[in-house]
Amino acid sequence: QVQLVESGGGVAQPGRSLRLSCAASGFTFSSYPMQWVRQAPGMGLEWVAVISYDGSNKYYADSVKGRFTISRDNSKNTLYLHMTGLRGEDTAVYYCARKHYEDYFDYWGRGTLVTVSS
Amino acid sequence: DIQMTQSPSTLSASVGDRVTITCRASQSIRSWLAWYQQKPGQAPKLLIYKASTLESGVPSRFSGSGSGTEFTLTINSLQPDDFATYYCQQYDRFWTFGQGTKVEVK
Repeated sequence: QVQLVESGGGVAQPGRSLRLSCAASGFTFSSYPMQWVRQAPGMGLEWVAVISYDGSNKYYADSVKGRFTISRDNSKNTLYLHMTGLRGEDTAVYYCARKHYEDYFDYWGRGTLVTVSS
Repeated sequence: DIQMTQSPSTLSASVGDRVTITCRASQSIRSWLAWYQQKPGQAPKLLIYKASTLESGVPSRFSGSGSGTEFTLTINSLQPDDFATYYCQQYDRFWTFGQGTKVEVK
């Protein structure tokens, strides 16, 4: 069955960096675009970034553009989110999600919590 | 950017009730709308896509309708497992979520 397992969350000081990983299994990872979505404490869902199946195309939400980088290693079935210049408003649970070819998100991981605090 | 507005924010209901949640888009998104269910501490779960297509394995008491800018999610005969927060999501142009509707015990 499809499994997505995020890791790499933790506490980071403002301005610092953090890299999240999402290990995928149960499907042909290299055939699917992948996403990151985040959810601030007690808040709703916010799309963060998307990467094409081969990594050639990437798009970002305005709130993270220029600070976050999405990437993937299809040989390792792993999705990444490199976050730099972290701000308090980046505090959230970060989910990776698989994008169905019709563009909705059909599978999600359980998330990893990022807390930005001094 | 396309904005998504859900109503109500909170809905109090009892087991067996029929529940309806509304989602409005700031511009037409045709039928490119999905609904997700999220329980505390869990990842969102896909319920419905393309406004009205039920995801495999989702109980038939869930249904979706609408097109353009107005959409509804209906739960017929609410079950104990259905108390959760529900989000709509447009995927016509990138992705935007509604703010969520919490279905709580009356």
